[in-house]
Amino acid sequence: QVQLQESGPGLVKPSQTLSLTCTVSGVSISSGSYFWNWIRQPAGKGLEWIGRIYSSGRIDYNPSLKSRVTISIDTSKNQFSLNLRSVTATDAAVFYCAGEVAAFTGLFDSWGQGTLVTVSS
Amino acid sequence: QTVVTQEPSFSVSPGGTITLTCGLSSGSVSTAYYPGWYQQTPGQPPRTLIYNTNSRSSGVPDRFSGSILGNKAALTITGAQADDESDYHCVLYMGGGVYVFGTGTKVTVL
Repeated sequence: QVQLQESGPGLVKPSQTLSLTCTVSGVSISSGSYFWNWIRQPAGKGLEWIGRIYSSGRIDYNPSLKSRVTISIDTSKNQFSLNLRSVTATDAAVFYCAGEVAAFTGLFDSWGQGTLVTVSS
Repeated sequence: QTVVTQEPSFSVSPGGTITLTCGLSSGSVSTAYYPGWYQQTPGQPPRTLIYNTNSRSSGVPDRFSGSILGNKAALTITGAQADDESDYHCVLYMGGGVYVFGTGTKVTVL
């Protein structure tokens, strides 16, 4: 059973960089079985896909966030990470990491519990 | 910027049937968008219901079904139950490794 757990600061100052890590258990992050995604949800709103990374090094980003986002992978720790630069209040959200089954487009079958990030000085 | 549209809210009586839809601000949804549907209750992460238009995720009861209706993806709940009261999110694959989630539908069972 694949499990994911987000971690990182719950409070980030405006203009600074939001950094989160997702720790994966139950499967090797380099197995090739999954794409590893970041998705966020502002309070009371819908989900927004941020981007994903594959063990081969392929990375795909939401075009509207691409200029500010970096997703990376650390196979030695079975983790992947999100950096979102120059944050503003509109970036405040619950951030989820999710595993997307590589063999089935759009099947996000494993989710972390989510971590709330507030943007405030 | 592509917008994926869903009904903001929907009400259904227990035992009733509802069909939620997922459309594009410009163009038609087809199977090529691999539409998926996710159910979410407050404070919880989304749960996978449907992927690839009409494939049910493991453990999802068969009263949830996905399809293409006209120019939209659709999620039909047959025989609604109280615990179906949730937010429902659709997601479309836009190609090039990019996904867009819909605006979400709040379903009330009363």
